[in-house]
Amino acid sequence: GAGVSQSPSNKVTEKGKDVELRCDPISGHTALYWYRQSLGQGLEFLIYFQGNSAPDKSGLPSDRFSAERTGGSVSTLTIQRTQQEDSAVYLCASSSGSPGDNSPLHFGNGTRLTVT
Amino acid sequence: EDQVTQSPEALRLQEGESSSLNCSYTVSGLRGLFWYRQDPGKGPEFLFTLYSAGEEKEKERLKATLTKKESFLHITAPKPEDSATYLCAVRSNYQLIWGAGTKLIIKP
Repeated sequence: GAGVSQSPSNKVTEKGKDVELRCDPISGHTALYWYRQSLGQGLEFLIYFQGNSAPDKSGLPSDRFSAERTGGSVSTLTIQRTQQEDSAVYLCASSSGSPGDNSPLHFGNGTRLTVT
Repeated sequence: EDQVTQSPEALRLQEGESSSLNCSYTVSGLRGLFWYRQDPGKGPEFLFTLYSAGEEKEKERLKATLTKKESFLHITAPKPEDSATYLCAVRSNYQLIWGAGTKLIIKP
């Protein structure tokens, strides 16, 4: 079956512009995560959605970052007034269970964001 | 503070030359240690979950082991297609803490 799909695969934007990154999780997966991956660093947790519960936004680095998940499926990560330090690969993952049951994460191929 | 450190940062091996990758962790109560493989331009792909010291998991040429302070990913007689970045992550509450990864290059 289809895996996690992310779009666009690459995005170049000017400093100060807003960007939207999209994630289509595996059908039926209730958990959805957004991570940021920078060169030489571990994956940085951004936000977590589980079913219809309120999302865990504890990893969002500033109020310029926001995310939503519509209908328990597709998710959009929005970065407003982009800065050069926002340049990174943004990864989305979905899972059939919750973190507590250690269900494996299924990742998309990411969106490489470059802010010029 | 929960922390995960992977070493070495990069490892170059000849095809068939066995070696090990290390993942050292400091967490307040381990609830799972995970190994993922990441190919260039792709997202991480799940390999193993380990729960307690002494546990071992195997898949083809890979074997993961766990102690109370670290995990090893042993690779036996590697092939060029094993070249990738290997990521380790631990869970102490409900979030994963990730290491920076080891880039493994297998030369034919």
